[in-house]
Amino acid sequence: QSALTQPRSVSGSPGQSVTISCTGTSSDVGGYNYVSWYQQHPGKAPKLMIYDVSKRPSGVPDRFSGSKSGNTASLTISGLQAEDEADYYCCSYAGRVVFGGGTKLTVL
Amino acid sequence: QVQLVQSGAEVKKPGASVKVSCKASGYTFTGYYMHWVRQAPGQGLEWMGWINPNSGGTNYAQKFQGRVTMTRDTSISTAYMELSRLRSDDTAVYYCARDVDWLLRYYFDYWGQGTLVTVSS
Repeated sequence: QSALTQPRSVSGSPGQSVTISCTGTSSDVGGYNYVSWYQQHPGKAPKLMIYDVSKRPSGVPDRFSGSKSGNTASLTISGLQAEDEADYYCCSYAGRVVFGGGTKLTVL
Repeated sequence: QVQLVQSGAEVKKPGASVKVSCKASGYTFTGYYMHWVRQAPGQGLEWMGWINPNSGGTNYAQKFQGRVTMTRDTSISTAYMELSRLRSDDTAVYYCARDVDWLLRYYFDYWGQGTLVTVSS
């Protein structure tokens, strides 16, 4: 069982927005701003999309945004595109690194 | 450009050991921590630990302590991860991943292509 809880799947149509949640505890997500998100296409290595809860690495489109409220972090993807279809993992560091179980995003 | 190139797939018997390499290029190898993350088939990501390529210092996830050893060879900019006493549930793709900052931030900005380790009798 993963330390961080994510929905198994979400879906949306092109152009729409979707939000993926990541629920932890006050000892990880809620207690620190060390939350990141990774995108993984089938058979590929993960790609860093968000770090420090809401910062985007260079090259990541501003359609991707992150936020946090209490013990739950969220990744929002606006203006969905076909290439956004992938698995998404949240990650938190609080003395140890913990990942969420992953969410499969389907673009309808 | 930054590249991490890992060694090829391995098939091992239960109880054996495996050593995966990760050759870095395009940046100063000793300037960034290197992490190892694994992913079992159809499963999520699992952090295994890091090595400081400059000092050789390591920090392992509690789950792997006593079974994992991370080393490096700075002369060839290569990090290694050795896992011993392999079990069938160690079957996974093993990734090396560079930390984003020399300060150790636990964010992973560049990843190797992954090495599939299959443990089977």
